[in-house]
Amino acid sequence: GESVGLHLPTLSVQEGDNSIINCAYSNSASDYFIWYKQESGKGPQFIIDIRSNMDKRQGQRVTVLLNKTVKHLSLQIAATQPGDSAVYFCAERGGGFQKLVFGTGTRLLVSP
Amino acid sequence: EAGVTQFPSHSVIEKGQTVTLRCDPISGHDNLYWYRRVMGKEIKFLLHFVKESKQDESGMPNNRFLAERTGGTYSTLKVQPAELEDSGVYFCASRPSGSGGAPNEQFFGPGTRLTVL
Repeated sequence: GESVGLHLPTLSVQEGDNSIINCAYSNSASDYFIWYKQESGKGPQFIIDIRSNMDKRQGQRVTVLLNKTVKHLSLQIAATQPGDSAVYFCAERGGGFQKLVFGTGTRLLVSP
Repeated sequence: EAGVTQFPSHSVIEKGQTVTLRCDPISGHDNLYWYRRVMGKEIKFLLHFVKESKQDESGMPNNRFLAERTGGTYSTLKVQPAELEDSGVYFCASRPSGSGGAPNEQFFGPGTRLTVL
């Protein structure tokens, strides 16, 4: 995939474990923070987003936490499955504008 | 429902040549975005169309890049002349207008891998 040559931080977990992927952002004016998942050979796929006035949002097996004090975003995946293996990107959306500003990504490897 | 498609999936050209990438968004999606990931770096925004109009082209790196969306359906991104640093993966994404669905869910295509030799 296109990650060849891209030195990504990697998180390795066992199937069934909970995973936590972290991200630091830079723009305090961003109104939304988003997590995307990219599997090999595919484009990024939306997972979940959180508005800047919230600190937690839950989805199906995923939870996003936002700490605006330290500009930190995390994605928690419960009961991680081999199908969760992918590169995960956090992204910011600047207030009023639709473009996404992506972070560098974290590779999640799930062992059966 | 068909997703976002991009053509070609791979392109290898020599420095100085021209390449045109095509994106077909999901039918009915007014918003169309181009992004790219240059090797070793993060995915970066290039531009955003609303129908046939350029809403935001602040990410276009220089005037060697030309994006069009005539008729407000498919879009093309032309690089002329290509330089070595243009190598990377070019993604297209689309999103419907209106309040339906998640406001930040952009539907991405599989990307075009461009290699400039």
